[in-house]
Amino acid sequence: RKEVEQDPGPFNVPEGATVAFNCTYSNSASQSFFWYRQDCRKEPKLLMSVYSSGNEDGRFTAQLNRASQYISLLIRDSKLSDSATYLCVVTTGGSYIPTFGRGTSLIVHP
Amino acid sequence: SQTIHQWPATLVQPVGSPLSLECTVEGTSNPNLYWYRQAAGRGLQLLFYSVGIGQISSEVPQNLSASRPQDRQFILSSKKLLLSDSGFYLCASGKARVRGEQFFGPGTRLTVL
Repeated sequence: RKEVEQDPGPFNVPEGATVAFNCTYSNSASQSFFWYRQDCRKEPKLLMSVYSSGNEDGRFTAQLNRASQYISLLIRDSKLSDSATYLCVVTTGGSYIPTFGRGTSLIVHP
Repeated sequence: SQTIHQWPATLVQPVGSPLSLECTVEGTSNPNLYWYRQAAGRGLQLLFYSVGIGQISSEVPQNLSASRPQDRQFILSSKKLLLSDSGFYLCASGKARVRGEQFFGPGTRLTVL
């Protein structure tokens, strides 16, 4: 079983739609969780951290479910510019090495 | 905030030739540094990481090597490139106190012919 799993998609949604991605992780000792965004042929960029209480940044909401070992990313009112690959990242306490999921591709169309 | 510099942006090299990719970091001190490779349509593969000058940990056996001669300089090298070395090479810098949060350089797209 992969340590961090994501549905590769692509998720193809119209502008204005709400879309949600999930990411599951296998190590119950995982402590830090993040969502990154990667545009085509570009480097990944940190989108947001995921806290136990959940967090929201504008149209983006991230949540953590430790019992079921998954994190989620909700994007409301999708924009064309949201089209990208979204990477889930998990770090285990005491480790310097984050584990990246393979990403979920989002395509927002007019 | 941190800035990661990588060069060159694009590189085409023949099989068997040497390689040297450099990464430098601004805006932080004593960072954890990482080299990743991303093959076309694939996820990120961690190649090396370093927690300090001269300290290198290798994650996968291969014909690549890494060095950290200065606190904010990380170099990826190869003596003889293979076709399978083609990919998008990314350098990242991490904050020790927020493990998992990383800043990436713009990357080097390497094609080995």
